[in-house]
Amino acid sequence: DAGVIQSPRHEVTEMGQEVTLRCKPISGHNSLFWYRQTMMRGLELLIYFNNNVPIDDSGMPEDRFSAKMPNASFSTLKIQPSEPRDSAVYFCASSLVMWGTGTGELFFGEGSRLTVL
Amino acid sequence: DAKTTQPPSMDCAEGRAANLPCNHSTISGNEYVYWYRQIHSQGPQYIIHGLKNNETNEMASLIITEDRKSSTLILPHATLRDTAVYYCIAYNTDKLIFGTGTRLQVFP
Repeated sequence: DAGVIQSPRHEVTEMGQEVTLRCKPISGHNSLFWYRQTMMRGLELLIYFNNNVPIDDSGMPEDRFSAKMPNASFSTLKIQPSEPRDSAVYFCASSLVMWGTGTGELFFGEGSRLTVL
Repeated sequence: DAKTTQPPSMDCAEGRAANLPCNHSTISGNEYVYWYRQIHSQGPQYIIHGLKNNETNEMASLIITEDRKSSTLILPHATLRDTAVYYCIAYNTDKLIFGTGTRLQVFP
């Protein structure tokens, strides 16, 4: 079975450019999560969706970041304009969450390593 | 979600059991204990979870104290491939919040 698929795996861009990261969750999963990982801040939850609807975006750093999930099989995380401090590994994860039963088993993609010069 | 506390690092000899502790003294009755690990720069990987009872699967065992204020993840026969950062998370809502975890180094 295909896992969570992220693209691109590596992205190098210059400050001020727009960056779009993509994620295809596991088929049948109803929740999707975007995390960011840096040495300084560890793994941070940016935003998550349930049934394609954004539920909590309190972790999104600022207005330069936006995320969409137009359908159950695709999500994007966009940074515009990008800054050097956005350099990090961005992980997408999906799960089948059944509320109240504690089944928080997330399946993570391999990540997108972003470097902003 | 309850805060968890883990030692920053541990060592374990290959073939021996690795026992990773986690304190979650403020855990509430409906919060589960979840364990994940992250090998090198890969995405985190689910290991096991439990509520009150001890749990075992093909990867590990989870021992939760009777008062649920702490737990231990046990890798019965650690291998070099188990070298990773292990995260203990108290969870009952809809999102997983990762702490700093324990960096386990398995040596030959």
